[in-house]
Amino acid sequence: AQSVAQPEDQVNVAEGNPLTVKCTYSVSGNPYLFWYVQYPNRGLQFLLKYITGDNLVKGSYGFEAEFNKSQTSFHLKKPSALVSDSALYFCAVRVPLTGGGNKLTFGTGTQLKVEL
Amino acid sequence: DGGITQSPKYLFRKEGQNVTLSCEQNLNHDAMYWYRQDPGQGLRLIYYSQIVNDFQKGDIAEGYSVSREKKESFPLTVTSAQKNPTAFYLCASSTGPFSSYEQYFGPGTRLTVT
Repeated sequence: AQSVAQPEDQVNVAEGNPLTVKCTYSVSGNPYLFWYVQYPNRGLQFLLKYITGDNLVKGSYGFEAEFNKSQTSFHLKKPSALVSDSALYFCAVRVPLTGGGNKLTFGTGTQLKVEL
Repeated sequence: DGGITQSPKYLFRKEGQNVTLSCEQNLNHDAMYWYRQDPGQGLRLIYYSQIVNDFQKGDIAEGYSVSREKKESFPLTVTSAQKNPTAFYLCASSTGPFSSYEQYFGPGTRLTVT
């Protein structure tokens, strides 16, 4: 089964420091991977995706993610964290559906807290 | 939250009552989805629809029903058969089966059943 795992429930980082939110995947075939962010009581916002090509993917709000096939990982990174980055982050993988179409399967989420 | 609206933002119902959550999109997307979010469990797929007048069960469809009579609308009914309906419900859409696959989400509806 196609799945992703987020091993950390919470990540704490000081403002100005680099941040990493981890995600590992388990898929058959080529993985299509995504990162989303959720602020309290809001919907999910798309940050970036990996379909093919460069292993370093750049996304919104200064975030980037590194696809590593040998480690089956897709970690989200930002060089300098902001307090406003504090939110819940979800990793997701595309899963083909029988009969056509696709769905996304999400990880359990990682709460990022950026402190002054 | 793009061009997807969900209403209401908060909804309170008594146990045993059916309730319908609204989802409308103006993105001209073919595919629409309903997810349920519970703390610590991520998002779980309830129903999805790839085209008008067609929809399929997701991973946790029991106690829910949907319709897709118009491309822009995909309402979700939480029936009295749903054993634990209190949750945050998210609607999403994507351009279709052969798209770049990312989904765009509405702001969500928080349903509380007592």
